[in-house]
Amino acid sequence: DAGVIQSPRHEVTEMGQEVTLRCKPISGHNSLFWYRQTMMRGLELLIYFNNNVPIDDSGMPEDRFSAKMPNASFSTLKIQPSEPRDSAVYFCASSFGGQETQYFGPGTRLLVL
Amino acid sequence: AQKVTQAQTEISVVEKEDVTLDCVYETRDTTYYLFWYKQPPSGELVFLIRRNSFDEQNEISGRYSWNFQKSTSSFNFTITASQVVDSAVYFCALSEARGANNLFFGTGTRLTVIP
Repeated sequence: DAGVIQSPRHEVTEMGQEVTLRCKPISGHNSLFWYRQTMMRGLELLIYFNNNVPIDDSGMPEDRFSAKMPNASFSTLKIQPSEPRDSAVYFCASSFGGQETQYFGPGTRLLVL
Repeated sequence: AQKVTQAQTEISVVEKEDVTLDCVYETRDTTYYLFWYKQPPSGELVFLIRRNSFDEQNEISGRYSWNFQKSTSSFNFTITASQVVDSAVYFCALSEARGANNLFFGTGTRLTVIP
């Protein structure tokens, strides 16, 4: 069975550029999560969708970050404009229901120069 | 407030030794869930186990075992006869049934198994 799929796996961009990260959750899962992992802050939740609706976006750092889930099988996390402090590994996770186990994708390693 | 503490930042053991990774949590909820995830050098996060707050039975899966004690708010993870492939960062996490759905992660313990 396919797990959570994320693309790209690696992204190098220059400050000020737009970055779009993509995620395909596990088929049948109705909850989707975006996390960010940095050395300083560890793993932190950015936003959580349930049935394609954003439920909690309190972790989104600022207006430069936006996330969408147009359908049950696709989500994007966009950073515009990107800054060097956005450099991190971004994980997408999905679960069947809000309190069920979250399964993580392989992550996107973002480097903003 | 919820919190997960993994006091051991790094542990090194020689292959075949047993090792226990500690996890202490704080929550005001009576219903909550505890998790362990493994992050190998390749970087992905691999789910290992989920326990709910009403199930204090210890669990064993092969060389892995978990000890959940509500009295001490601990959910420790033991690897028996460690192997080099066990080298990874291990994260303990907490999710509360009430409120926004969120996995609160500890800071992780980096385990190095020396051949």
